[in-house]
Amino acid sequence: GDSVTQMEGPVTLSEEAFLTINCTYTATGYPSLFWYVQYPGEGLQLLLKATKADDKGSNKGFEATYRKETTSFHLEKGSVQVSDSAVYFCALSKMGNTGKLIFGQGTTLQVKP
Amino acid sequence: DAGITQSPRHKVTETGTPVTLRCHQTENHRYMYWYRQDPGHGLRLIHYSYGVKDTDKGEVSDGYSVSRSKTEDFLLTLESATSSQTSVYFCAISGTGGQEGDEQFFGPGTRLTVL
Repeated sequence: GDSVTQMEGPVTLSEEAFLTINCTYTATGYPSLFWYVQYPGEGLQLLLKATKADDKGSNKGFEATYRKETTSFHLEKGSVQVSDSAVYFCALSKMGNTGKLIFGQGTTLQVKP
Repeated sequence: DAGITQSPRHKVTETGTPVTLRCHQTENHRYMYWYRQDPGHGLRLIHYSYGVKDTDKGEVSDGYSVSRSKTEDFLLTLESATSSQTSVYFCAISGTGGQEGDEQFFGPGTRLTVL
């Protein structure tokens, strides 16, 4: 079946460091790919998305490119801030499948001053 | 922010007790979802609804039932709670469900502990 695999955390970085969180997927067809973020004590919110191969999603300095050849959607940010500390989830959905999301296990990011 | 509330926000109950969690939306969205979040598993879909009185099972539906009698409310019931159902439960809504790139909006979550 369809699945999403993320790199294990936690990831601990110093402020202004470069961030990469790896995400790979297995799916038939052409899924849409998402990154959601969960700040402490809150629900999830969409960070960015891409709906077809080679699309780049971006938001708040974060970027991810939909790579069909490597079935990947890695999240990157050039300079992290303490306020980026959160849990990041990679997810996929498939058109016509009632919008059900399949999530990776989540990666906790801690940014230290 | 999308108008989604969940109640209760926290609950402690005992094994064998029935429990109902409520999700309420003010967005008039057609699709609603219940997920559970557990360490090492991310979020997993329990049940979802694609309209009033229209529901279907997700990945981890055993031990759970749902009902949707109004567009705005989606109830999740644990008929007889077990310790394995200790989790954080999230409700989500979607306007078009299944359209390419359709975003889901999440509620704040309910932390349930079954002793």
